[in-house]
Amino acid sequence: DAGVIQSPRHEVTEMGQEVTLRCKPISGHNSLFWYRQTMMRGLELLIYFNNNVPIDDSGMPEDRFSAKMPNASFSTLKIQPSEPRDSAVYFCASTLVGTGELFFGEGSRLTVL
Amino acid sequence: KNEVEQSPQNLTAQEGEFITINCSYSVGISALHWLQQHPGGGIVSLFMLSSGKKKHGRLIATINIQEKHSSLHITASHPRDSAVYICAVGPGAQKLVFGQGTRLTINP
Repeated sequence: DAGVIQSPRHEVTEMGQEVTLRCKPISGHNSLFWYRQTMMRGLELLIYFNNNVPIDDSGMPEDRFSAKMPNASFSTLKIQPSEPRDSAVYFCASTLVGTGELFFGEGSRLTVL
Repeated sequence: KNEVEQSPQNLTAQEGEFITINCSYSVGISALHWLQQHPGGGIVSLFMLSSGKKKHGRLIATINIQEKHSSLHITASHPRDSAVYICAVGPGAQKLVFGQGTRLTINP
């Protein structure tokens, strides 16, 4: 299996631009997570889905952030408009509910100038 | 006080040394995870444990539920073990709380 696949690996954009991060979970996994990692705050859960349904989005910073999972093999995290404080590494992870073990993607490093 | 505390925050050692990284937590858990993150790289799950001890190669993880404490040990450390090690706990994968990580550097 190819593992969790994220794109892009690196994104540099200017303040105010829309950013879309993509994630393909491991086939067969039914739970997907979006995390943000910064030096100051470490890893933080933004949102997670079970069976493509958003279960908890309390970690989403504000209305500028949105996430979708239109099917079992694809999810997006969108930031519109982006701000410099959104600069971070965004990780996607997936698991099979009940097993507990998380599989992470390589991350998307976002820099907002 | 953070819900998950790791110590030390930074650790530098010589190749071959025995390494111990500690994790203490204050929340109820069903499992504790140890994760590894190489510089600029992704995150890899090393262990998930809810009791006792697990071993994988040169890595050993232990947990004491009563004490709310876990340790990650590396025997015969090698420069390729240099990474950030992150402890995470929670009632399930859905509500993990992460420690700040321990940055390990193994010098040849």
